[in-house]
Amino acid sequence: QVQLVESGGGVVQPGRSLRLSCAASGFSFGTHAIHWVRQPPGKGLEWVAIISSDGSNKYYADSVRGRFTISRDNFRYTVYLQVDSLRTEDTAVYYCARQFCDTLNCYAESFGYWGQGTLVIVSS
Amino acid sequence: QSVLTQPASVSGSPGQSITISCTGTSSDVGNYNFVTWYQQHPDKAPKLMIYEVSKRPSGVSNRFSGSKSGNTASLTISGLQAEDEADYYCCSSAGSSTFVFGGGTKVTVL
Repeated sequence: QVQLVESGGGVVQPGRSLRLSCAASGFSFGTHAIHWVRQPPGKGLEWVAIISSDGSNKYYADSVRGRFTISRDNFRYTVYLQVDSLRTEDTAVYYCARQFCDTLNCYAESFGYWGQGTLVIVSS
Repeated sequence: QSVLTQPASVSGSPGQSITISCTGTSSDVGNYNFVTWYQQHPDKAPKLMIYEVSKRPSGVSNRFSGSKSGNTASLTISGLQAEDEADYYCCSSAGSSTFVFGGGTKVTVL
């Protein structure tokens, strides 16, 4: 079955960096777009970034563009989120999510499968 | 990328129907049929409930239905059950392969 496992979170000082990982299994990884979505403690969801199946297209939320970089290694079945110049408002659980596919199509505009999330706390 | 507007809370008794609205603009909800809905129970990852405005993934109860009119999308839960108590989020394409979520609605089953 589809599995996504995030890692790499932790406590970090403002201005520092982290690299989050999303390890996938149970599906043909190189044929699916992957998103990152975050959720500050006790608050709502915020879309962060998407990477296309082959890694050639990447898009970001305004709030992270220029500071976050999404990438993928289709041989390692892993997506990464490099988070630089961290701010206190970046404190959140970071989820990776795979696009949803029904019997006919795949929908990059959807988050069909989610990992359990990894918590990033930005604090001095 | 503005947040879509959802009511903070909606409640209903078991067996009743409730509707959650999700209001955006002509740049997101009104311009794309890529509206999705997610259910999130406490300390759990979100779950896809509706995609492309009104389609239901296999395994999601047919008590959940989605629709859209103009800049507002809606999620209706019919025959409300105790396990439906959760937070619900809408999401829409916002152009240029970006996406925007609603602020979330807490559903309480009385």
